[in-house]
Amino acid sequence: QLQLQESGPRLVKPSETLSLTCTVSGGSISSSTYYWGWIRQPPEKGLEWVGSMLSTGGTYYNPSLRGRVTISADTSKNQFSLKLTSVTAADTALYYCVRSRGSVLSGIGYWGRGTLVTVSS
Amino acid sequence: QSVLSQPPSVSGAPGQRVTISCTGSSSNIGAGYDVHWYQQLPGRAPKLLIYSDNNRPSGVPDRFSGSKSGTSASLALTGLQAEDEADYYCQSYDNRMSGHLVFGGGTKLTVL
Repeated sequence: QLQLQESGPRLVKPSETLSLTCTVSGGSISSSTYYWGWIRQPPEKGLEWVGSMLSTGGTYYNPSLRGRVTISADTSKNQFSLKLTSVTAADTALYYCVRSRGSVLSGIGYWGRGTLVTVSS
Repeated sequence: QSVLSQPPSVSGAPGQRVTISCTGSSSNIGAGYDVHWYQQLPGRAPKLLIYSDNNRPSGVPDRFSGSKSGTSASLALTGLQAEDEADYYCQSYDNRMSGHLVFGGGTKLTVL
């Protein structure tokens, strides 16, 4: 059974960089044509797509994040990571790492438990 | 402001039927992209409830069903149960965003 687990600092200062890692078990991030990505949810608000990467290569980001986001993979550790620069209080959210159910347009079939990141001085 | 529009809340009594709408536009649902639905129980991560408009993953009761027409989609729940009380989100893709994910704002279902 595929499992995803987020890790990283829970508190980040304004203007600094938010860095999270997703460790995947029960499957390889290199296999087949899945997409892996990040979804966030501000407190008491809805879901927002942050960005995705394909197993076969290629990264895609939410345009609203205006070039602040980078997603990358470490296949040797079966992990992928999120970096969000120049954070503000608006980036405070529960961050989920996710994997598609199947092909790119098939919906999100797997979710991590989520990690709450607070941006505050 | 979410790309897809959902009612903020719906409610129903146990045993009743409720529907949740998801309204998009010609650049997302109307462009033929699949619609997926997620259930988020309090304090939990979302869970895929319906995929590709009207398909249920294994383990999802047939009380849940999805449909799509034009620029809108709907989630129907029949035989409401107390444990159905949750937030529900629709999700599709938008060709204004290079075909990437867009969500509805979510609908809180209250079982009376």
